[in-house]
Amino acid sequence: GAGVSQSPSNKVTEKGKDVELRCDPISGHTALYWYRQRLGQGLEFLIYFQGNSAPDKSGLPSDRFSAERTGESVSTLTIQRTQQEDSAVYLCASSLVGAGGYTFGSGTRLTVV
Amino acid sequence: GENVEQHPSTLSVQEGDSAVIKCTYSDSASNYFPWYKQELGKRPQLIIDIRSNVGEKKDQRIAVTLNKTAKHFSLHITETQPEDSAVYFCAASAYNQGGKLIFGQGTELSVKP
Repeated sequence: GAGVSQSPSNKVTEKGKDVELRCDPISGHTALYWYRQRLGQGLEFLIYFQGNSAPDKSGLPSDRFSAERTGESVSTLTIQRTQQEDSAVYLCASSLVGAGGYTFGSGTRLTVV
Repeated sequence: GENVEQHPSTLSVQEGDSAVIKCTYSDSASNYFPWYKQELGKRPQLIIDIRSNVGEKKDQRIAVTLNKTAKHFSLHITETQPEDSAVYFCAASAYNQGGKLIFGQGTELSVKP
């Protein structure tokens, strides 16, 4: 596609429920990244996929968080047993490795009530 | 791992003045330093970047300088305009980290007309 597409754009969920967030990267971009941005805060790295290599999961805050990516296409970020502190905007980005900056999606605003 | 510190957290200038935002990084292997602008409620957008083999780069009213020895880099905006008001993020990555960007905490720039 022309840009990085994320869905849903907004998600309100009850505490304890599981949620799944989707990212569709720019076609041909081999690298895909997930970040979390709490209100008024910076971008916190979560996980990074590059081709068929093992993902870099070093930023996942707990075992309630997981992500998958099939090949060089869509990725899903899953948060199990959501907590109020999970409320944030989850941003996905893609890039060509070595080519420089990312292109970000519009994000999914997650609210846990 | 990499740690990026950004200062100041807020910056207010008069229209037409210059604005400078500074970042330091910890990992000497970092070799790519982009800057992103994020307007309220929108996704971060890449505005300028610099690689470690260059000391300065300019693009119209925006410039970035890099001091590898001191491990710091700065964003300079000249002749500021109200539409420059936004949150600016610096970031750093090392190629051997797969291009994973670590972001500073952001600077909220306000340009008063």
